[in-house]
Amino acid sequence: EVQLVESGGGLVQPGGSLRLSCAASGFTFSPSWMSWVRQAPGKGLEWVANIRPDGSDKYYVDSAKGRFTISRDNAKNSLFLQMNSLRAEDTAVYYCARDLYSGRVWDYWGQGTLVTVSS
Amino acid sequence: EIVMTQSPATLSVSPGERATLSCRASQSVNSNLAWYQQKPGQAPRLLIYDASTRAAGVPGRFSGSGSGAEFTFTISSLQSEDFAVYYCQQYDSWPRTFGQGTKVEIK
Repeated sequence: EVQLVESGGGLVQPGGSLRLSCAASGFTFSPSWMSWVRQAPGKGLEWVANIRPDGSDKYYVDSAKGRFTISRDNAKNSLFLQMNSLRAEDTAVYYCARDLYSGRVWDYWGQGTLVTVSS
Repeated sequence: EIVMTQSPATLSVSPGERATLSCRASQSVNSNLAWYQQKPGQAPRLLIYDASTRAAGVPGRFSGSGSGAEFTFTISSLQSEDFAVYYCQQYDSWPRTFGQGTKVEIK
C-alpha cells in the first residue's frame, strides 16, 4: 500500500522558518517525481514545488521562489520542504504527492500537514 | 501563468442524475488536463488525466473530454459518494495550475 506521511507543520511567526518532511512507502521512491501542493483554509489547491527523481531539477511556483527549497533523500525515501521567510499567506495544509509521470499529475497524496503563519 | 476557470461554482444534482462540469483554460493546454475529486477533510484523488484517461481504479461513470482550452468532466449517474469538490488542473506549462473548483452537492 502506498503511503505518504507528512510531518513538521505547526504554528510559526511571520518571517520564521519551518521544514516539512514526507515519508514515503509502498512504492519505489527513487525513480518518482515528487511534489508539494498546498491548500489554504477553505480555498482551492495550489502547486508549490516539485523535484526530479535524482534531485537535479526543481520547479517552484513564483510565490515560493527564493523562500522555499524542495529536496529529497532517496536512501531514506523522504521528501522535504524547507520554508523560510514565511508569510501569513503561506498558511495552508501542505500535501506531499507522488507524480504519476514527469511532474505532471499526482496519483498519490499524503494526508497533509497544517502550517499556520501568525503572530 | 495559465488561468483555469471552472463552471459552475456549485452544481446541485439528484442521486442518479448526470453531472457535467466545465473547465476553461486561458490559453491552449492541448490535452494536458487532469481532474481531481476532493471530499471534506481528505486529500485530493486523481480521477482523469490526459483529458480523458481514467486513473487506476476510477469507476467508469467518470469521464473527461476536450482539448485545447475547453474541457468537460461528466459523472454519468451520481452516487452518494460522488458529492464532493472537483478540480481541473493543467500541466501543459509551468507553473501547474488548478481551477477554483466545482462543488457538486445533493439537490
